[in-house]
Amino acid sequence: DVKVTQSSRYLVKRTGEKVFLECVQDMDHENMFWYRQDPGLGLRLIYFSYDVKMKEKGDIPEGYSVSREKKERFSLILESASTNQTSMYLCASIEDRGTDTQYFGPGTRLTVL
Amino acid sequence: KQEVTQIPAALSVPEGENLVLNCSFTDSAIYNLQWFRQDPGKGLTSLLLIQSSQREQTSGRLNASLDKSSGRSTLYIAASQPGDSATYLCAVPAKYNTDKLIFGTGTRLQVFP
Repeated sequence: DVKVTQSSRYLVKRTGEKVFLECVQDMDHENMFWYRQDPGLGLRLIYFSYDVKMKEKGDIPEGYSVSREKKERFSLILESASTNQTSMYLCASIEDRGTDTQYFGPGTRLTVL
Repeated sequence: KQEVTQIPAALSVPEGENLVLNCSFTDSAIYNLQWFRQDPGKGLTSLLLIQSSQREQTSGRLNASLDKSSGRSTLYIAASQPGDSATYLCAVPAKYNTDKLIFGTGTRLQVFP
C-alpha cells in the first residue's frame, strides 16, 4: 500500500513565524502536491512538483514556497505565517499522471495565532 | 473553467438505507472522475476512479457511475452503515493539467443506528 505521511497532525504557530510542513511518500512517485482545505472552499492546490527540484504553482501559491530536494520528500514552507493561513494542509502523491488516483496523507491542522 | 458541484451538501439517514450522492461538472471533456472519502480531521481516501471510457465502477457496497455527456456522476451506497459516516468528495482532472484535481465541496453523510 502507498503510504503518504505528514510530519505533524496538529501545529500551532504565531504570526510571523517560519513554518515547515513535511510530506514523505514511500512509493517512488514522481508527482507530489500540496493542498489546503477550508470550510466552504473545498480543497485548493497550492503547489505541485513533477520531479526533484521541480515545482509548479497551483491556484493559491501566494505566501507559500516549496522544496523538493529528494524524490520522496516534498516540503511546504510558510515564510512568515499569517492568521489567514490557518487551515488543514493535505499532501498527496500520484504515480501515473492523468490516469491514476492521488494518494493523500493524513493532513496537518495548522493554527496561526 | 471547470466547476464541480455536489448535492446535497449534507445528508442524514438511518442505517440500512440505500443512498445516492450526486456530482456534476461543467466541462464534459474529462479524463476520469474520482470519488474520495474523508473522515473528520483526516486525509482523503480514494474510493473509486472511473476512466472516461467507463460507465461505472464497483467496490463492495459502493457503485459509481459516470455520464460524461450530461456532466454527472453518482455514488451509490447500498445498505448504509454508521461506519459510512464521512464526507464524500468527487474530483476531476483539470483540462490542460491532468494532475491538477478540481474538487467538489463534498457531501457530509451521517448514518445513524
